[in-house]
Amino acid sequence: EPEVTQTPSHQVTQMGQEVILRCVPISNHLYFYWYRQILGQKVEFLVSFYNNEISEKSEIFDDQFSVERPDGSNFTLKIRSTKLEDSAMYFCASSEWGGGGYEQYFGPGTRLTVT
Amino acid sequence: QKEVEQNSGPLSVPEGAIASLNCTYSDRGSQSFFWYRQYSGKSPELIMSIYSNGDKEDGRFTAQLNKASQYVSLLIRDSQPSDSATYLCAVNYHAGGTSYGKLTFGQGTILTVHP
Repeated sequence: EPEVTQTPSHQVTQMGQEVILRCVPISNHLYFYWYRQILGQKVEFLVSFYNNEISEKSEIFDDQFSVERPDGSNFTLKIRSTKLEDSAMYFCASSEWGGGGYEQYFGPGTRLTVT
Repeated sequence: QKEVEQNSGPLSVPEGAIASLNCTYSDRGSQSFFWYRQYSGKSPELIMSIYSNGDKEDGRFTAQLNKASQYVSLLIRDSQPSDSATYLCAVNYHAGGTSYGKLTFGQGTILTVHP
């Protein structure tokens, strides 16, 4: 069964450093998403991406964040200068199509720890 | 602020019983509703999607949607200890008829099924 994969599973970085989180969406899916979950809190939407463009982004997704589809399979989230409050689980998700009627499947997540 | 509300629980049911999980949402523009299961330290796993009023059944799971009351629920029949997890309600809002798939999650209900 196709699944979303993410690497690394755990990333430790120092405050102010740049990190890149990687995702491989399900192969026939066209919409990609990043969510994050701070420990003990809700899953929060960060950004959606379609056709090499950001479709929608949340207030959290400020200038420190960027996304990219560098090739035909990978989808990345970059945080330019990490802050302590960026520590969270980051989930990539993909769906066959956009809009609300299509189910999103989540990857296993990357636990980001900023020290 | 669009909100998705769930009783955080914990909800404890005996093995074999029916577990009933509830979710309310604030925006009548919501069109798509999803239930995810999240084991501790893991990513959300899609269980059910529902888009129209009424019931939708899939194995031991039944999702119920009442748009007039802005209410969606999940019933788990014949609950098993392996069903013990946090159940997340997620809603997709269509703003002005446009949606790019952003999901808004509730806090989640912790379910414990005891033998």
